[in-house]
Amino acid sequence: GENVEQHPSTLSVQEGDSAVIKCTYSDSASNYFPWYKQELGKRPQLIIDIRSNVGEKKDQRIAVTLNKTAKHFSLHITETQPEDSAVYFCAASKGQGAQKLVFGQGTRLTINP
Amino acid sequence: SAVISQKPSRDICQRGTSLTIQCQVDSQVTMMFWYRQQPGQSLTLIATANQGSEATYESGFVIDKFPISRPNLTFSTLTVSNMSPEDSSIYLCSYAGGQLNYGYTFGSGTRLTVV
Repeated sequence: GENVEQHPSTLSVQEGDSAVIKCTYSDSASNYFPWYKQELGKRPQLIIDIRSNVGEKKDQRIAVTLNKTAKHFSLHITETQPEDSAVYFCAASKGQGAQKLVFGQGTRLTINP
Repeated sequence: SAVISQKPSRDICQRGTSLTIQCQVDSQVTMMFWYRQQPGQSLTLIATANQGSEATYESGFVIDKFPISRPNLTFSTLTVSNMSPEDSSIYLCSYAGGQLNYGYTFGSGTRLTVV
């Protein structure tokens, strides 16, 4: 089955700098790649997603890139702010419509003021 | 997107007992998913719940331990049976937005402590 590896497990950056989190997946049939942000004690919240027919997607300070050949995708956060501090999870799924998500191990991002 | 409600939000249970967690969505959804998140860990899928058929369980999870009901397209329950301290975790339900909307929404989670 699908396996998603996420790196790094922890990341600390200065406020205003950029943060990059990387994920690799094993199943070349995977075609949907969301990113979730989970603040302490709260549910995971979808922040951005990308489908396999797109190489890059951007939403304000957040962007995701996908390299299908290498089977990896990355989350980029620019101009980081203290409220970006959280645990971020990547995930992958395949097929049409509602399919199960396989999650990466998570990255704890800390923004230092 | 539809609103998803999950309860209870937390519970402390004695070992050997069972707890049923409920998940309600305010519109019809095809599939619902149940995840477990152990402290400081990622989310692991327990099973996929389809309306009108038996749930599909992931490796390492069995129906006798985690029976699931899906009586209609807006509701599902997960029961954690014969609990042990190792079952202490956060349990989350989720649904996907539909054929053209792949976004997944999670319930607020149930924090279970088994003593």
